[in-house]
Amino acid sequence: GENVEQHPSTLSVQEGDSAVIKCTYSDSASNYFPWYKQELGKGPQLIIDIRSNVGEKKDQRIAVTLNKTAKHFSLHITETQPEDSAVYFCAANTAGTALIFGKGTTLSVSS
Amino acid sequence: GAVVSQHPSWVICKSGTSVKIECRSLDFQATTMFWYRQFPKQSLMLMATSNEGSKATYEQGVEKDKFLINHASLTLSTLTVTSAHPEDSSFYICSAGRDTGNQPQHFGDGTRLSIL
Repeated sequence: GENVEQHPSTLSVQEGDSAVIKCTYSDSASNYFPWYKQELGKGPQLIIDIRSNVGEKKDQRIAVTLNKTAKHFSLHITETQPEDSAVYFCAANTAGTALIFGKGTTLSVSS
Repeated sequence: GAVVSQHPSWVICKSGTSVKIECRSLDFQATTMFWYRQFPKQSLMLMATSNEGSKATYEQGVEKDKFLINHASLTLSTLTVTSAHPEDSSFYICSAGRDTGNQPQHFGDGTRLSIL
């Protein structure tokens, strides 16, 4: 089955810096890769996603890149702000419809 | 955007009690809903896939008799934790998508279950 590895587990940056979180997946059949932001006591919120027919997608300060050959995808946050502090999860879909999640990255943005 | 509502948000009950958690898709029809469990500072672990009008598909290691799932309509799925014990205490989260495959899933805000 699908396995998703996520790094780093924690990331601390200064406000205004960029943050990059990386994930790898194992199942070459996976074709959908969402990223979620989870704040304390809340459910995950979808922030951006990418499908396997696209190499890069951008939405304001957030971008995601996908390398199908390497089975690798990354989240890039530019001009980080304190409100970006949260836990971020990458995920990949399985042969069915479910998502398999990475272990999460705790991002801390200090002002 | 798509809204998924989960209720209750927090429940505390005695050991041996059964607890029902509801998950509703408010502005779209969800043929498939998913139930996850999350321990503190850990990732989301898929428990089961809930399909409208049919039996749920459980992940390996999840007791189907302990975690009863019903998906009676395209907007409502329920998870019942039967005869709950302290080890069942956790954060339970549901998600729903408009379609299957490579479509976005939207999550509820979770239910924190504490069994005394």
